[in-house]
Amino acid sequence: DVKVTQSSRYLVKRTGEKVFLECVQDMDHENMFWYRQDPGLGLRLIYFSYDVKMKEKGDIPEGYSVSREKKERFSLILESASTNQTSMYLCASSFPTEGNQPQHFGDGTRLSIL
Amino acid sequence: EDQVTQSPEALRLQEGESSSLNCSYTVSGLRGLFWYRQDPGKGPEFLFTLYSAGEEKEKERLKATLTKKESFLHITAPKPEDSATYLCAVQARGYQKVTFGIGTKLQVIP
Repeated sequence: DVKVTQSSRYLVKRTGEKVFLECVQDMDHENMFWYRQDPGLGLRLIYFSYDVKMKEKGDIPEGYSVSREKKERFSLILESASTNQTSMYLCASSFPTEGNQPQHFGDGTRLSIL
Repeated sequence: EDQVTQSPEALRLQEGESSSLNCSYTVSGLRGLFWYRQDPGKGPEFLFTLYSAGEEKEKERLKATLTKKESFLHITAPKPEDSATYLCAVQARGYQKVTFGIGTKLQVIP
């Protein structure tokens, strides 16, 4: 069965801290994605990766960076956390687009920046 | 730019009262349209992929249909356990990125 695991369900951090969100998938998917989900705005893509060490900016990359050193793991980094980054963060993975495969999601990390 | 608009934003049904959710989209060459279900505090769960106009897919009480401009998610005789937010998303040909709608929050009352 498809499994995307996010390291924390809830996280509270302070303004200015460097924050790491981790995501692991066990399906050997090439693609991995980071979204944030906010009421009234839906899911917005922050970054995605289509291979190890490869990344592309999504719609809202400002204030974030990512790391993919291994195929199964994709990390989202908040370089200097700010209160407007309080949100639900969702990780997803999929096979390459050509296979017409949907994205599969983890259960999210609810991040609060105080 | 790809766009997805879902309506209504919220829908309240009595148990057994059938209805439809709408997803209108604009995309430069559709590769696939996806429907997801999201329960509170959880990530979206994949339901269906539709590829071309006229296609239909079914799963239990849910049926998804696709035209060139919109998709419908028909819910037949819903039960309280069908209560969730239903998300629609589109993917354009040649792109990895998927554009999501804001969702329809469905509540089914016993």
